[in-house]
Amino acid sequence: GAVVSQHPSWVICKSGTSVKIECRSLDFQATTMFWYRQFPKQSLMLMATSNEGSKATYEQGVEKDKFLINHASLTLSTLTVTSAHPEDSSFYICSATIAVPYNEQFFGPGTRLTVL
Amino acid sequence: AQKITQTQPGMFVQEKEAVTLDCTYDTSDQSYGLFWYKQPSSGEMIFLIYQGSYDEQNATEGRYSLNFQKARKSANLVISASQLGDSAMYFCAMREARGERGSTLGRLYFGRGTQLTVWP
Repeated sequence: GAVVSQHPSWVICKSGTSVKIECRSLDFQATTMFWYRQFPKQSLMLMATSNEGSKATYEQGVEKDKFLINHASLTLSTLTVTSAHPEDSSFYICSATIAVPYNEQFFGPGTRLTVL
Repeated sequence: AQKITQTQPGMFVQEKEAVTLDCTYDTSDQSYGLFWYKQPSSGEMIFLIYQGSYDEQNATEGRYSLNFQKARKSANLVISASQLGDSAMYFCAMREARGERGSTLGRLYFGRGTQLTVWP
């Protein structure tokens, strides 16, 4: 089956530092990758949509300069949380889509970010 | 308006019993897909089952079945013969073929989730 990996699985950083999270589709080429954010006991909130070779599309209310997304290839997208603050602490999940059979999204295992 | 509504924050079921998790959706698209995902405490999102809006038969995958009632716009998940390992958060999601103007094509809309607890 289609596998999506995320790295790192968890990260703790000091306030003011930047953190990069990688999302890779391991055995397929993803037409689109999505980045989600999830607070404890809450649903997934779509942050942005990423297509290879083009600028990411951000959802309303998501700061583009805060959450930098780079989609370098059909198998890799990165999310960089710049100048992280404690309120950025959350669970970040990426997903990658494959066209057949029904444009299913395959999710990565998530990255738990804690900003001290 | 909420695209996906899950009205049960928590559900409890005894092992080996069946349980139904509710999901209603709101869309003006004729073509859409409905998904159910399981999220255990580890955080990974596990795909369970898919129902297309034009599918006439209710989807089934092992112990999971989707009770699709198009006129009511409901897509309830039925888990038969519950197991302790089924304890997790369950999310209903929808993807629209066209979506509203300005919306992200192909995005999933998630409900708030239902925390299922299976007890022995």
